[in-house]
This record gives sequence, C-alpha cells and structure tokens, in this order.
Amino acid sequence: IVLTQSPATLSLSPGDRATLSCRASQSIKSIYLAWYQHRPGHPPRLLIYSTSFRATGLPDRFSGSGSGTNFTLTISRLEPEDFAVYFCQQYADSPYTFGQGTKLDI
Amino acid sequence: EVQLVESGGGLVKPGGSLRLSCAASGFTFSSYTMTWVRQAPGKGLEWVSSISSSSSYIFYADSMKGRFTISRDNAKNSVYLQMNNLGVEDTAIYYCARDILFRFDPWGQGTLVTVSS
Repeated sequence: IVLTQSPATLSLSPGDRATLSCRASQSIKSIYLAWYQHRPGHPPRLLIYSTSFRATGLPDRFSGSGSGTNFTLTISRLEPEDFAVYFCQQYADSPYTFGQGTKLDI
Repeated sequence: EVQLVESGGGLVKPGGSLRLSCAASGFTFSSYTMTWVRQAPGKGLEWVSSISSSSSYIFYADSMKGRFTISRDNAKNSVYLQMNNLGVEDTAIYYCARDILFRFDPWGQGTLVTVSS
C-alpha cells in the first residue's frame, strides 16, 4: 500500500492552522492509520493512532480524521515546537509503509 | 518509564555484516511485538522487520529478506537485527520501536549504520 502525503512542504507561522493530507493507494480500515512527528535529533513520536485517537499526553490542538483512502492530520494552532516532519503510516498490510513525509516549516 | 536503547551501529564495508541490539525497559517486553524501522539520509521512514512476542511471527520488508534476520531474547528484554551483505543503500539510522496494536510507540533514539568503502 502506497501512502502519498501532501503537500511535501507547508510553510506557516505560529498560531496558524495546519492541514496535512495522506492518501492511500487502496482503502484501509481506520484502525490501521497512524501519524508520527519527527524532529531533528529526536526519534519519531507517535501522535495519532487509529486515524483519530491522540497518543497519551498529546495536546488537543492535534487531531486526525479520514476514512477509506483519505486521511488528514490537523494542527489547530501551531506552536514553535510543532515545526517538524510528519509521517503517516499504515498497518493494514505488510509491508507497513510510511508516507514520504510533510515538512512543516516556519 | 518505557525506554528503548539501540546499539551496534557503526561503519562497515559493502558486503559486511552488523548486528544491532535494542534493550528494552519499563514494560513487559515479552508481551509485545517489536519492530525495526530505518531512515536513510534525506529520506523518509522505512519499515524493516517485526517480530511477535514469542517469535512465532516474523515479517520483513522485501528488500531485506534473505539478508536481515530479526530475533529476540525475552529473558534479556532485547531484540536484535542481524544484517548481512550490506550495501550502501542500507546506510541509515535504525530505530527499534514497540509495536502496540497497529502503531509504533515508543521509538528508541536510533543507531547509525554507515556502509562505505
């Protein structure tokens, strides 16, 4: 299953709203879609699992939605620490693929 | 606190081998599937391999089949990745992660593998 993320780069400012898209090459069940944040010098961090469930401790400005082949990660009010690369990932079928990432730039 | 610490990375020549280790703490290791994911320089994340809690189920990405072997020792709370016949395309940071019901959480800090002559 190929995951295509858009845009590749998103340039925004603190306080803005970010909408990141992840499109799957075939329909996947919602429980099998997750989002990760990857900041330089840090390991990837789970943000959202099963499309819309926030990881423990994640601020509610992060939300996930979608179904079938179209999934979205929304960050409602960007904080400086949110500027990073975001990956979606599917667990519906091996190989458990990741999208190519969206870089969120200031 | 759940913690994963990878080790074993380094510089190796093409065709060489390396064995990566990931030491886990802070959770019941023997109850979880464990996974290796890598990130090549300037590239995205690539799932490498997963091993179920009792080693009954093992999966590999196609490009690693026959060259990489994942294993675990539940008595030592550790998961391993034996990598043989390495090529320059295997240069990457290798992360281990706990696999919880369709997601990877948490991830270790990673260990860098550089394949170069």
